Amino acid sequence: RKEVEQDPGPFNVPEGATVAFNCTYSNSASQSFFWYRQDCRKEPKLLMSVYSSGNEDGRFTAQLNRASQYISLLIRDSKLSDSATYLCVVNRGVGSWGKLQFGAGTQVVVTP
Amino acid sequence: EPEVTQTPSHQVTQMGQEVILRCVPISNHLYFYWYRQILGQKVEFLVSFYNNEISEKSEIFDDQFSVERPDGSNFTLKIRSTKLEDSAMYFCASSERTGGGTQYFGPGTRLLVL
Repeated sequence: RKEVEQDPGPFNVPEGATVAFNCTYSNSASQSFFWYRQDCRKEPKLLMSVYSSGNEDGRFTAQLNRASQYISLLIRDSKLSDSATYLCVVNRGVGSWGKLQFGAGTQVVVTP
Repeated sequence: EPEVTQTPSHQVTQMGQEVILRCVPISNHLYFYWYRQILGQKVEFLVSFYNNEISEKSEIFDDQFSVERPDGSNFTLKIRSTKLEDSAMYFCASSERTGGGTQYFGPGTRLLVL
């Protein structure tokens, strides 16, 4: 089983619509969770950290479900500039501090 | 806003040659990392570095790879004898702290081994 699994998409989303997608992780001891976005051939850029209580940053909402070992990202009022690949990233924590485990990414395409 | 920088942006080399990829982490950061991304694949961890020594390395980071912090600002990745399969985008990252600390990535060096 892969450490971090994501639906590759693409999710084709009309501008202004809402899109949501999940990622699952295999290691129940994982400590920290993030969503990064990656534009074509560019570096991953932090979108948001994900906390157990769930957190929101503008149009973006992230949720963590430790019992089911999944993380979700919801994008409201999609903009054309939201088109990117969204990377689910997990840090195992104890014994492996600093090593980020990346999912393969979910591609989102926002259309006019 | 402080950022991680990397040079060169592109490097083409012949198989068997040595390459050195350079990174300047964010100035107050203490933890440094190298990742790579083969075209069309996910980002993979190579190595983490703290206090002038390797903290952790992946199975990819074999004897052909080494890292160094030669001075107070640069952090380098050396590949001693490049192979075709080393062709990838190499990202440097740094963080203020380890554990759950956010890692900030540089723009990457695209390495092509011919």
